[in-house]
Amino acid sequence: QTVVTQEPSLTVSPGGTVTLTCASSTGAVTSGHYPNWFQQKPGQAPRALIYTTSNKHSWTPARFSGSLLGGKAALTLSGVQPEDEADYYCLLYDGGARVFGGGTKLTVL
Amino acid sequence: EVQLVESGGGLVQPGGSLRLSCAASGFTFSSYWMSWVRQAPGKGLEWVANIKQDGSEKYYVDSVKGRFTISRDNAKNSLYLQMNSLRAEDTAVYYCARDRPSTSFKVLDYWGQGTLVAVSS
Repeated sequence: QTVVTQEPSLTVSPGGTVTLTCASSTGAVTSGHYPNWFQQKPGQAPRALIYTTSNKHSWTPARFSGSLLGGKAALTLSGVQPEDEADYYCLLYDGGARVFGGGTKLTVL
Repeated sequence: EVQLVESGGGLVQPGGSLRLSCAASGFTFSSYWMSWVRQAPGKGLEWVANIKQDGSEKYYVDSVKGRFTISRDNAKNSLYLQMNSLRAEDTAVYYCARDRPSTSFKVLDYWGQGTLVAVSS
């Protein structure tokens, strides 16, 4: 099955901008992988943020955006807030199955 | 309000079996694919299995194929995961999640709070 790779960790300053990426072992990530992004804070269930590359759920803050960038899926946080410190996971379609990336631990410092 | 409530977790010996359940409410259960996702202690998310609205299609991660079976009962708005031949590496919090409807690829938009499965002798 496909292996999905994310940056293990990133650090950003409050108010800054950071981009997390999501790569596939099978080649370029495309819209056909229907990239989804999730946020998870300690002790909580994951929360969906972005679906089908760039679409936001009704609860997703405007500072979160999704895109395709250089053959990868990308999640950009603009104007980062302290409460954005969390683990972020991408998910790609793999036929009928789903595959999560290993997750990125985002530190706001 | 969409709600997903898992149950059935617990401590089981290696080689044992366990059946997880997920009670769904607040949406038309029969209109959605449903998934199980797990998270081992201190590790990332791992998608485990999903099932189509009518149960006619099921997909599994390689590591559970032949050991786990996903099923659903639309009349009871319930999702199940039968786990056999359990191994220590199956130890995790298991989440039930609403996968997607037929008309969208908005997946895993709602999650339960999870149920812990511990495999140990």
